[in-house]
Amino acid sequence: DTGVSQNPRHKITKRGQNVTFRCDPISEHNRLYWYRQTLGQGPEFLTYFQNEAQLEKSRLLSDRFSAERPKGSFSTLEIQRTEQGDSAMYLCASSVGTGPSNQPQHFGDGTRLSIL
Amino acid sequence: AQRVTQPEKLLSVFKGAPVELKCNYSYSGSPELFWYVQYSRQRLQLLLRHISRESIKGFTADLNKGETSFHLKKPFAQEEDSAMYYCALSNTGGFKTIFGAGTRLFVKA
Repeated sequence: DTGVSQNPRHKITKRGQNVTFRCDPISEHNRLYWYRQTLGQGPEFLTYFQNEAQLEKSRLLSDRFSAERPKGSFSTLEIQRTEQGDSAMYLCASSVGTGPSNQPQHFGDGTRLSIL
Repeated sequence: AQRVTQPEKLLSVFKGAPVELKCNYSYSGSPELFWYVQYSRQRLQLLLRHISRESIKGFTADLNKGETSFHLKKPFAQEEDSAMYYCALSNTGGFKTIFGAGTRLFVKA
């Protein structure tokens, strides 16, 4: 098991373009999280999936952002009409569990987005 | 509001010296607290969680609800402890995790 896999590792795009990132969680993990991290800050929670259901969404996730997890396996995060402020590292994490227990999250290497 | 504060951006100690990385939190319920670590060129990974009450790589952390703190301690720092350390909080029953801004620990030879 290679752990959580994120693609691409780097994405450079012009302002106004749409971008999509992919996350493949650890195979038996039913929970999946997306975070954004900017320089000098810790990861900021964006959204959370339990299986295919998106259960929590941060106010940081404007209507330009959308995340999906079809069939409860991999997930995609799309940013439409990118802006300079979207430049950041986008991290994906997964964990296993049921009920209220918060199991440790396993992180991917992230996708670094640079907006020109 | 939920918040995690790590007051030190950088902490530099000599090898063999004790180290304490501070973490204070603000939360109105019963939080779960974690310490995550990121070594150079590696992924963010869990170091320890308060409910486990265990020592990992010589590090311990005690949840002090009165002072709303979860400081990370190690009696004798080693060079391989040099890394970025993040304190994190999750709300019990929910899954939103709040991270602090992180403290970079540098252990000098």
